[in-house]
Amino acid sequence: EAGVAQSPRYKIIEKRQSVAFWCNPISGHATLYWYQQILGQGPKLLIQFQNNGVVDDSQLPKDRFSAERLKGVDSTLKIQPAKLEDSAVYLCASSLGQGSSYEQYFGPGTRLTVT
Amino acid sequence: QQPVQSPQAVILREGEDAVINCSSSKALYSVHWYRQKHGEAPIFLMILLKGGEQKGHDKISASFNEKKQQSSLYLTASQLSYSGTYFCGTQGNTPLVFGKGTRLSVIA
Repeated sequence: EAGVAQSPRYKIIEKRQSVAFWCNPISGHATLYWYQQILGQGPKLLIQFQNNGVVDDSQLPKDRFSAERLKGVDSTLKIQPAKLEDSAVYLCASSLGQGSSYEQYFGPGTRLTVT
Repeated sequence: QQPVQSPQAVILREGEDAVINCSSSKALYSVHWYRQKHGEAPIFLMILLKGGEQKGHDKISASFNEKKQQSSLYLTASQLSYSGTYFCGTQGNTPLVFGKGTRLSVIA
């Protein structure tokens, strides 16, 4: 079974530029998550989708971050414009369902460096 | 609210045991445990659910005290492969919130 795919793996941009990350979840997984992980910290949820609908985006900085999952499968996360504090690893995860009993499977992440 | 993990870091020799604790100030439905090696994705270890149900790795055990909103992960007879950062994630009536992690180093 293929895991969660993410691209690119690494990205370096200057502040005020824009960047986009792509995620393809495990086949059949209805729930998709985007997390931000700053060095030395645990993953922080940015947005959670159930199929193509948003379940929770309370911690997404909506003035600069946006995400979509148009067909309920793959997803993109965009930052525009980027700030220095956005430097982090962006992890995508998926699960079969959204209840508390479902484990999440993480992709390899995209390491973003904003200079 | 972010759960609190302890200890922050621990060093073990192969074969030794360790306990990692996770504590929340809110009522919980479940506690999730993940391990992350440097530069890699977090890997699922275990879920403990309110009511006593568990699912996860055979070789790792954990407990969940619902009344105290606390969970502990027990690593016995540690192996070099156990090295990494362990995160607990707690879920109440909000999505999963991860702690800051416990760095475990197993040395020969």
